Order: sequence, then structure tokens, then C-alpha cells
Amino acid sequence: LAKTTQPISMDSYEGQEVNITCSHNNIATNDYITWYQQFPSQGPRFIIQGYKTKVTNEVASLFIPADRKSSTLSLPRVSLSDTAVYYCLVTDPRNTGKLIFGQGTTLQVKP
Amino acid sequence: GAVVSQHPSRVICKSGTSVKIECRSLDFQATTMFWYRQFPKQSLMLMATSNEGSKATYEQGVEKDKFLINHASLTLSTLTVTSAHPEDSSFYICSARPRPPTGTGTPLNSYEQYFGPGTRLTVT
Repeated sequence: LAKTTQPISMDSYEGQEVNITCSHNNIATNDYITWYQQFPSQGPRFIIQGYKTKVTNEVASLFIPADRKSSTLSLPRVSLSDTAVYYCLVTDPRNTGKLIFGQGTTLQVKP
Repeated sequence: GAVVSQHPSRVICKSGTSVKIECRSLDFQATTMFWYRQFPKQSLMLMATSNEGSKATYEQGVEKDKFLINHASLTLSTLTVTSAHPEDSSFYICSARPRPPTGTGTPLNSYEQYFGPGTRLTVT
């Protein structure tokens, strides 16, 4: 399973756009990039998934360059409630389904 | 969306006793369920993969005789921590993956995994 690297922590202020970049140099052809959000004492929550270029949903955008060796999760206009840990995972969802979580990025949104 | 529940949400037990944690998929059939453990300020660590009707597959370093996993139905998997000790105190999280449709052209979101809310185990 491809290993991912992301910043350990980030700080932001309410109303700002936050971009969290994840490196996955060994991503395989069939792998997709998935981001999860986790609040303290809760299970992870799916945010967004993509394979290439750009994916957007109601909560975030995911930018993936052509070489797919990295990806950037973009959270528009964050609020205090976006304070959480964000995990980037790379996996082939059609495979075993095993998810290997890296260290994640702790995002602290300040007022 | 699909919902996964866990019971209990938190449990305190004495050292040496066994504790059972249930993971249920409420509105879908889950052929595969996963169990994770998370210590404070750390990431989730995959413990085992549970397939309905078969033995669980444990990750390296996870004692199968200590963490008993049963996936007896398509909506229920249980994790039993046997002879619990204080070092087993942790946050246990399950996830469930629905049975994917057969045939080609299956939408990717058919393979999505859904996480439970977690169970906080404290062993005194």
C-alpha cells in the first residue's frame, strides 16, 4: 500500500481557505486518493475521493496533478468546526478495502 | 448515507476480564468489516479484517487469541478483548464495506467504507 506524507499540523483562521498537501510518490495505477476527517473520540468521516485532475463536492475540493504523486485537499472558508485531523489515504478501493492511515494533519482553526 | 453503529460507546472494565464490542451495519449488508485501534494523539492502526462467515485476518503484531473477532452475520461483527489489561485501554473503531455489486462498470462509491463512532475502552 502506498505510503503517504502530510504535514503534522496546520493553523488557520476562520474564513480562510486551507490547503493540505499529501505526497504519495509510490501511488499505483489503480489507486485512488481518499481524504478522511476525524474529530476527537469519533470515527473518521469520508470527505472526498479522486483519481486525477480536480474533484469538488459540497465540502471540499481535491486537486491531483498529472503525475498523481501528490494531492491537495482544499477546504474553502474554514470555520472553528473544521478543527480536526485530516488523513490522506491511497488505495485501490476495489481491492481488499484495507485502509492504512498515516499520521494525518491536525488542523487548528482559530477565531 | 450508510450507518455503522458500535456498542458500547464506552466501557470500563477490571484487569483480567473480557470485553465484547459490537459493530453493526444498520442499513446495508457488510461482507467485510475492519477493526482499528487508536491510542491518544496517534493515528488509527488496522488490527484485522473480518469477512462474513470466515476467520478474521489479523495484521502483523496483533494477537489473534487476545482479540477475538467474529463476523457471524452480514450486519454484525464483534471484537472481544480477552483478559484485558491497562495497556489495552484504547479507542476501538470498526468500519464496514458493503457487498459490491457484481458485473463491470460498478460505481466507485459502491466500494466506499463506513466507519463506526468508536468505543472507548478503559481497563483499570
